[in-house]
Amino acid sequence: QVQLMQSGAEVRKPGSSVKVSCKISGDTFRNYIVSWVRQAPGQGLEWVGGIIPVLGTTDNTQKFQGKVTITTDESTNTAYMELSSLGRDDTAVYYCTISTQLQDEIREYWGQGTLVTVSS
Amino acid sequence: DIVMTQSPDSLAVSLGERATINCKSSQSVLYSSNNKNYLAWYQHKPGQPPKLLIYWASTRQSGVPDRFSGSASGTDFTLTISSLQAEDVAVYYCHQYYKTPWTFGQGTKVEIK
Repeated sequence: QVQLMQSGAEVRKPGSSVKVSCKISGDTFRNYIVSWVRQAPGQGLEWVGGIIPVLGTTDNTQKFQGKVTITTDESTNTAYMELSSLGRDDTAVYYCTISTQLQDEIREYWGQGTLVTVSS
Repeated sequence: DIVMTQSPDSLAVSLGERATINCKSSQSVLYSSNNKNYLAWYQHKPGQPPKLLIYWASTRQSGVPDRFSGSASGTDFTLTISSLQAEDVAVYYCHQYYKTPWTFGQGTKVEIK
């Protein structure tokens, strides 16, 4: 059974950075596309970016260019999202999610979410 | 970027009645080589991660009740809940995974009338 466990809530000051982790159990990241999605208070879902671990390629929304770094560590089966130059509008719940396609079937799993609060 | 526009923003439906949510993409999300629309629907409840309901515009995820169905016509997509249950109260999002950046609709809040 595949499960994703994210790190705990974080509080950061404006201008600082935060690194959120997502550990997979029951499988390996190599078999999936890893994505990060966030939800700011009262807002909808927003795709932050993703990585294809087997290729080492990453992609993200233009607004996050130079601001987000997404990586995976195969030795610990953990994915990371680091967000820098935090502003108050980065306050959100951040979810990691993994997806794979087996023939025509899509399998997808989500972490429980990590609340990042940016406040002075 | 592909813009996903949902309608309505919210709707209230009586228990047992039908709920219909629409989603329009700003460009085609149909991949011609496999004739599949790269369009998914999610259910999101407070305090929980989003739940994948439908992918390829009309394929129900394993374990999702058959009262949930999806359809497509060009760049117009529909999620239908045939007989609303109390546990269906949530925000529903359409999502395109055809091209990065992947994008979501703004969400539709479904409540009980």
